[in-house]
Amino acid sequence: GESVGLHLPTLSVQEGDNSIINCAYSNSASDYFIWYKQESGKGPQFIIDIRSNMDKRQGQRVTVLLNKTVKHLSLQIAATQPGDSAVYFCAEFLYNYGQNFVFGPGTRLSVLP
Amino acid sequence: DGGITQSPKYLFRKEGQNVTLSCEQNLNHDAMYWYRQDPGQGLRLIYYSQIVNDFQKGDIAEGYSVSREKKESFPLTVTSAQKNPTAFYLCASSGRTGGIDEQYFGPGTRLTVT
Repeated sequence: GESVGLHLPTLSVQEGDNSIINCAYSNSASDYFIWYKQESGKGPQFIIDIRSNMDKRQGQRVTVLLNKTVKHLSLQIAATQPGDSAVYFCAEFLYNYGQNFVFGPGTRLSVLP
Repeated sequence: DGGITQSPKYLFRKEGQNVTLSCEQNLNHDAMYWYRQDPGQGLRLIYYSQIVNDFQKGDIAEGYSVSREKKESFPLTVTSAQKNPTAFYLCASSGRTGGIDEQYFGPGTRLTVT
């Protein structure tokens, strides 16, 4: 299998429980944030995004919270399912960084039966 | 995978050989990117291109080269000068929606150099 994700922080949750994954970002001037899900051996998939003028955004079973005061982003997954097992990482977008994203290392979510 | 293809999925090469990784997108995106992913680390930017016939070095460009002759294609060459080439390589493209760039990733190529 893919070795990406070794040595990452791991969050283990029981199937059906809610999951909260956290991310500290680096630049208080970041304009836009994305949460990605990456399954073993695959490319990252877009989950949900949020702009810096918002503090909360909800999708289907997922909610992203943004706390600009402490430069913290969280992803909440409701009623976690086995298919949610993956590595999750956040990305921040800085307009002054060559129009590019900066990615966090990620957290491995493990869903227990 | 959002209309971005990378081939092959697995690639094996001997040390000292150059190797080219393919990335194609049919999303009509102007910008394309190459990232390297190593265990326990965030994605690191190798090269990016905002428009055809133009590209810029990212944070770890040494030992890599790219070309952008067509909007749809952004191949990455890993040269023998790259000291630690074994990694998972991800290609992405981005398009602007509401003034913000969204990035979509390909499925990745796992390169192993022995």
